[in-house]
Order: sequence, then structure tokens, then C-alpha cells
Amino acid sequence: LAKTTQPISMDSYEGQEVNITCSHNNIATNDYITWYQQFPSQGPRFIIQGYKTKVTNEVASLFIPADRKSSTLSLPRVSLSDTAVYYCLVGVSGGYNKLIFGAGTRLAVHP
Amino acid sequence: ETGVTQTPRHLVMGMTNKKSLKCEQHLGHNAMYWYKQSAKKPLELMFVYNFKEQTENNSVPSRFSPECPNSSHLFLHLHTLQPEDSALYLCASSRSGDADTQYFGPGTRLTVL
Repeated sequence: LAKTTQPISMDSYEGQEVNITCSHNNIATNDYITWYQQFPSQGPRFIIQGYKTKVTNEVASLFIPADRKSSTLSLPRVSLSDTAVYYCLVGVSGGYNKLIFGAGTRLAVHP
Repeated sequence: ETGVTQTPRHLVMGMTNKKSLKCEQHLGHNAMYWYKQSAKKPLELMFVYNFKEQTENNSVPSRFSPECPNSSHLFLHLHTLQPEDSALYLCASSRSGDADTQYFGPGTRLTVL
């Protein structure tokens, strides 16, 4: 199973760009990288998914280097409502049991 | 977002009670999941159903009994629970049992007295 490592917590201020890096040294060839966001007492919400290089949507960007051993979630101009826990997961088609949630990164955005 | 709904949202039960959690998805997905999230712990996958068939039981005690009558509904029957079973129980669905994007419900906050 591809294990992921993320910082336990991060602090930022409104309007800043936040980059959360996830390490997944044992990522397999067919693994995708997916990020979820979770607010207290709610279910996680899909943010973005990628395989290599860069992926961007209306919420975030995901940067994946060529060796794919890490990935960086970039949140542009965060607001107070972005305060949440962010999870990095790696998983492969046919391997639902590989969708293992780690401890995540607790992001606190301050005024 | 109402793609995945869960009822009840909060539940308090004694150790001798029998209760059920309900999950319904309106996304046309074929796979449904139960997760447990205890305080300050990561989500733990409990059960996976793919096309109504249970395909994963992650060493869950028998006091938790899942039921999937069709691809849109998932139940978790609870009996003789322990206080340490108090947690947020989350239901999710995806197109298939693969690593497709999972859509989560709001969860049921369970307290066992």
C-alpha cells in the first residue's frame, strides 16, 4: 500500500496562497493522487485528482513532479472558510481498499 | 450537496439497544461504503459494497451488521455496542468499487452510553 505523509498542521492568513505537500515514496505506476477536504462533523469532499504534471480546477491546483513521489496541493488566496483538514490519498483502479485516509493536514486560516 | 444523505444525523443509544443507520445515494453509483471516524483519528474503512455485493469487511466486529438491498441504499445495523464505538459514521458512494472519487454523506454522530 502506498503510504502518504503530510504535515500535521499549517497556519495561514486570508488572501495568502497555501501549499500542502504530500509524500508518497512508494506510489505505484497505476496510482492516482487524490485530495479531499473535511470540515468538522462533515464528510470529506473531493477537491482534485491527478496522475502527473499539473492539474487545475476552480478550487485548487495539484502539482506532481516527474518522479511522482510527492504532490503539492495549492490553494490560491485562502479565506477563513478554507479552514479544514486536507487529506492526500493514493489509489489505483480496482484497489478500493487502497483508499486509506491518513491523519491529514489541519489548515487554520487566520484573519 | 444532497447526493448522499444519511439519517439520523445524531443518535444516542444504550449498550443494549438495537438501532440502524441509513444511507441513500442519488448519484446512480454502484459502490457504497461505510467509514468510522473516531475523535482525532483518521477515517477507518469498515465495509464496501459493489453492485449490492459486499466486497470488503475490514475486520469489523459482528455487532456492526451492514445491509445493502439495492445500489442506492445502505444500512448499518447496530446492536450491543460499546462506548468506544461512539464516533462519526460516514457513508460514501462511487461509480464503482475502484478508486473512483468517493462522495460522502454528512455522517451520523453516534454516542453509546
